[in-house]
Amino acid sequence: AQRVTQPEKLLSVFKGAPVELKCNYSYSGSPELFWYVQYSRQRLQLLLRHISRESIKGFTADLNKGETSFHLKKPFAQEEDSAMYYCALRNRGGADGLTFGKGTHLIIQP
Amino acid sequence: GAVVSQHPSWVICKSGTSVKIECRSLDFQATTMFWYRQFPKQSLMLMATSNEGSKATYEQGVEKDKFLINHASLTLSTLTVTSAHPEDSSFYICSARQPGVETQYFGPGTRLLVL
Repeated sequence: AQRVTQPEKLLSVFKGAPVELKCNYSYSGSPELFWYVQYSRQRLQLLLRHISRESIKGFTADLNKGETSFHLKKPFAQEEDSAMYYCALRNRGGADGLTFGKGTHLIIQP
Repeated sequence: GAVVSQHPSWVICKSGTSVKIECRSLDFQATTMFWYRQFPKQSLMLMATSNEGSKATYEQGVEKDKFLINHASLTLSTLTVTSAHPEDSSFYICSARQPGVETQYFGPGTRLLVL
């Protein structure tokens, strides 16, 4: 069965410090991974996906198949980055729904 | 951008009653909609995939007779929690996807409390 693991429930860093939110997955086959973000009192929204290999709001994430990881990184954290971050794996086999990790609450301290 | 709405945003009902939750794509046509459930301090769990004009596909462990899904149009999917019980109390979130687009756009969620 596929699974997404985010080992940190809470991560607190100071403004300007580097950030790394960990995500590991379990999936047989070629995975399709995403990072979603939920700011306070807002809905869940897509941050980035591994297929696009893009950088959004300074965040990047590289798929490492050897380590089955898709960690989210940002070199210099900003206060507005404070939010819940969810790593998600797209289900294959027709349904296309997402399997989410439990999320990491990122707090950026001034 | 694509906007998805849900109605109601919260609902309180008595045990044994049925509750209907609507999910609408406001500015795009969604051939596929997804229903998720999130318990407190837990992650979102996919309940079912709703395809316009066909029967929904339910995830393992989700009772299709209890959680009725109807996707009658390209902009509306409904989830009906039948004979609700306190353990059904949760946060229900829908998402919608346009044909040919991978991104899922999420609704704001509906908080259900069953007394």
